Amino acid sequence: GAVVSQHPSWVICKSGTSVKIECRSLDFQATTMFWYRQFPKQSLMLMATSNEGSKATYEQGVEKDKFLINHASLTLSTLTVTSAHPEDSSFYICSAREREGETQYFGPGTRLLVL
Amino acid sequence: DQQVKQNSPSLSVQEGRISILNCDYTNSMFDYFLWYKKYPAEGPTFLISISSIKDKNEDGRFTVFLNKSAKHLSLHIVPSQPGDSAVYFCAASDEGSGTYKYIFGTGTRLKVLA
Repeated sequence: GAVVSQHPSWVICKSGTSVKIECRSLDFQATTMFWYRQFPKQSLMLMATSNEGSKATYEQGVEKDKFLINHASLTLSTLTVTSAHPEDSSFYICSAREREGETQYFGPGTRLLVL
Repeated sequence: DQQVKQNSPSLSVQEGRISILNCDYTNSMFDYFLWYKKYPAEGPTFLISISSIKDKNEDGRFTVFLNKSAKHLSLHIVPSQPGDSAVYFCAASDEGSGTYKYIFGTGTRLKVLA
């Protein structure tokens, strides 16, 4: 299957700082990338959908000014958690697909802990 | 509103026996369904998918059954192996809408006992 990487795999930061998470498709060009978050023992919740070269589409209840998404190239999308607070602590996972209708392949996830 | 439900949070099965994981959905517009396997602190790994035009899809030890009238799908793993122990998520998508968003269930933790 296709390979998607995320960096960093985990990060600890102080409250009020910003954190950037990278998602890369390693062996295919991802026209669309998705960002999810997962709280302990809960389901994966879609945060936003990003298409290369255009603005991300955010799900209801997700603050676009807090979770900045940039999909600048066909192999890279970034999620920046701005002014992070302890309640932003979570497991963030990205996925990518090459074309419409194709299966999404997931990255390994990034665990964020905000102190 | 949970559109995709996995009512069994956990399941234990003896090695070599069949594991059956169930998933129910409420949105009749869903037309594409997937199963993912997830280990702690890792991203989900794609297992198998099925389109709504089919009622069964098989890949090795994994078979997915879809019952559209009941809005129910199941994943059968046979024979189960200890390495299958993980959390399994079903996901559904309304491909016809063009958004291709996946809606995930809450997951079922499978434990295969040696």
